[in-house]
Amino acid sequence: GAGVSQTPSNKVTEKGKYVELRCDPISGHTALYWYRQSLGQGPEFLIYFQGTGAADDSGLPNDRFFAVRPEGSVSTLKIQRTERGDSAVYLCASSLNGNGPDTQYFGPGTRLTVL
Amino acid sequence: AQSVTQLGSHVSVSEGALVLLRCNYSSSVPPYLFWYVQYPNQGLQLLLKYTTGATLVKGINGFEAEFKKSETSFHLTKPSAHMSDAAEYFCAVSDRKTSYDKVIFGPGTSLSVIP
Repeated sequence: GAGVSQTPSNKVTEKGKYVELRCDPISGHTALYWYRQSLGQGPEFLIYFQGTGAADDSGLPNDRFFAVRPEGSVSTLKIQRTERGDSAVYLCASSLNGNGPDTQYFGPGTRLTVL
Repeated sequence: AQSVTQLGSHVSVSEGALVLLRCNYSSSVPPYLFWYVQYPNQGLQLLLKYTTGATLVKGINGFEAEFKKSETSFHLTKPSAHMSDAAEYFCAVSDRKTSYDKVIFGPGTSLSVIP
């Protein structure tokens, strides 16, 4: 079956612009995660969805970042008034139900560059 | 709070030599432990995970790791390196106290394999 997909693969934008990053999880996975990976670092947790609701958004760095998952499948990470420091690879992962040591399946990421 | 340290941001081994990537964690309770691999321009892929039971865990591609509670370690090994093992490796920990599998990643170790 299809894995986790993310679009676009690359996004270049100007400082101050708004961007949306999309994640399509594995079908049937109720748990969805967003991470941010800066150069030379490990993935950093941003937000976790269980179904349609954001169960843990403690990793979002500030109120310019927002994510939705309106139908419990596709998720969109939205970044307002982008800053150069937002440049990173944004990773999405999904797991079956988020309980215990479920394996998280990662997408290839979206590389965001803010000029 | 949980944390993961990986000794050595870059490791080089000769083809056919032993691979040893070090990981130490801190957690207030016995955690779930993971190793992920990231090949160039690809998403993270689970190599192996420790949840409970046998402390020596075998994963894909000939890798294994041993959970040592007394040393708070989860080092990754492979008896004989192959050129295709060149990649970035991330150790990760999940705290059993959370209601879902929130995963904290280490900074990663880049493995080079010399012919």
